[in-house]
Amino acid sequence: EAGVVQSPRYKIIEKKQPVAFWCNPISGHNTLYWYRQNLGQGPELLIRYENEEAVDDSQLPKDRFSAERLKGVDSTLKIQPAELGDSAVYLCASSSGLADDNEQFFGPGTRLTVL
Amino acid sequence: GEDVEQSLFLSVREGDSSVINCTYTDSSSTYLYWYKQEPGAGLQLLTYIFSNMDMKQDQRLTVLLNKKDKHLSLRIADTQTGDSAIYFCAEIYNQGGKLIFGQGTELSVKP
Repeated sequence: EAGVVQSPRYKIIEKKQPVAFWCNPISGHNTLYWYRQNLGQGPELLIRYENEEAVDDSQLPKDRFSAERLKGVDSTLKIQPAELGDSAVYLCASSSGLADDNEQFFGPGTRLTVL
Repeated sequence: GEDVEQSLFLSVREGDSSVINCTYTDSSSTYLYWYKQEPGAGLQLLTYIFSNMDMKQDQRLTVLLNKKDKHLSLRIADTQTGDSAIYFCAEIYNQGGKLIFGQGTELSVKP
């Protein structure tokens, strides 16, 4: 069974440019998460989806970040415009959403470098 | 607010036991987790413990939970060089919700 797939794995852009990350969760997983991991830190949640609905986006900087999960499967996270401080690893995770199974499976992440 | 703290580094010799410690603040956490992250890779769930348990053992891994002191530990028996990685403690904040991670403990295993 395929795990969580993310692309690209690496992205280098100049500040003020836009960038987008893509995530394909494990088949059948209704819940999808985007986390940001700064260097030397643990991941921090940006947004959580239940199917196509964003149920927790309280930590998403909405002035420059946006996300979508239009059909409740794949998701895209966008930053426009990027700032130097956005350099981090962006991790996507998914879970089944079942009450007795809340394990989150993580993808390999997209490492973003903003110059 | 929720917060999870870990020591940053641990160095052990191959064959010794490793103990990684974690403290957390949210007493309503239902599950506490240990994740492993190898260089350039995503996070791999190692084990978890339900908040009404004191201990869980899984092969070389032993998790101890002291709910009164909000202290969680991960013991790795017979540590191998392949165990070298960053280990993250995490708690669930709200059922099915976000994971709150510590800053990670870098385990270095010397031959």
